[in-house]
Amino acid sequence: GQQLNQSPQSMFIQEGEDVSMNCTSSSIFNTWLWYKQDPGEGPVLLIALYKAGELTSNGRLTAQFGITRKDSFLNISASIPSDVGIYFCAGEAAGNKLTFGGGTRVLVKP
Amino acid sequence: NAGVTQTPKFQVLKTGQSMTLQCAQDMNHEYMSWYRQDPGMGLRLIHYSVGAGITDQGEVPNGYNVSRSTTEDFPLRLLSAAPSQTSVYFCASIREPGQGYGYTFGSGTRLTVV
Repeated sequence: GQQLNQSPQSMFIQEGEDVSMNCTSSSIFNTWLWYKQDPGEGPVLLIALYKAGELTSNGRLTAQFGITRKDSFLNISASIPSDVGIYFCAGEAAGNKLTFGGGTRVLVKP
Repeated sequence: NAGVTQTPKFQVLKTGQSMTLQCAQDMNHEYMSWYRQDPGMGLRLIHYSVGAGITDQGEVPNGYNVSRSTTEDFPLRLLSAAPSQTSVYFCASIREPGQGYGYTFGSGTRLTVV
């Protein structure tokens, strides 16, 4: 089946830092979605991308749909403590099935 | 508030027991799906439904059954629980996939099989 490689698996942030994560696939997707999951909750949609090359922002979040349709990145600018959580990329292919990356766990630097 | 409601939030089963995880949405979404979440593996699709009366298998369907008798409800049944089914289960719905709106997820059911 389709697989999404999401990196990094985890990262530590310091307040004010910019962070970046990405997803790559061997398959083409029609839509890329980025979700955030807080402890004990389900994933919540952050950004949806549905055109190759599209760059979309949502507040401090910016995401891009790769031109090859096989990758996407998410940037968080000026991170704050509430940015802690697990971020998932998801690709939607023909047949309307979502494939999720393994997640990027964002933690606060001790 | 409108959304996806999952019950129960927590469940412990003994190996071999059966149970049904409930999922209901009040947004009149046609498309519903079940995922399981395991550490480091993201969410994997178990079963999905594109409308009442229609279901299909996802990536990891073995050991699970679903039915969709109404638009609102999409229960997931574990026929004979196994320790490998210990996981967090999420139900999700969307009005129409491929439109960039994203899926709405429930808050999950944490299942432990002993």
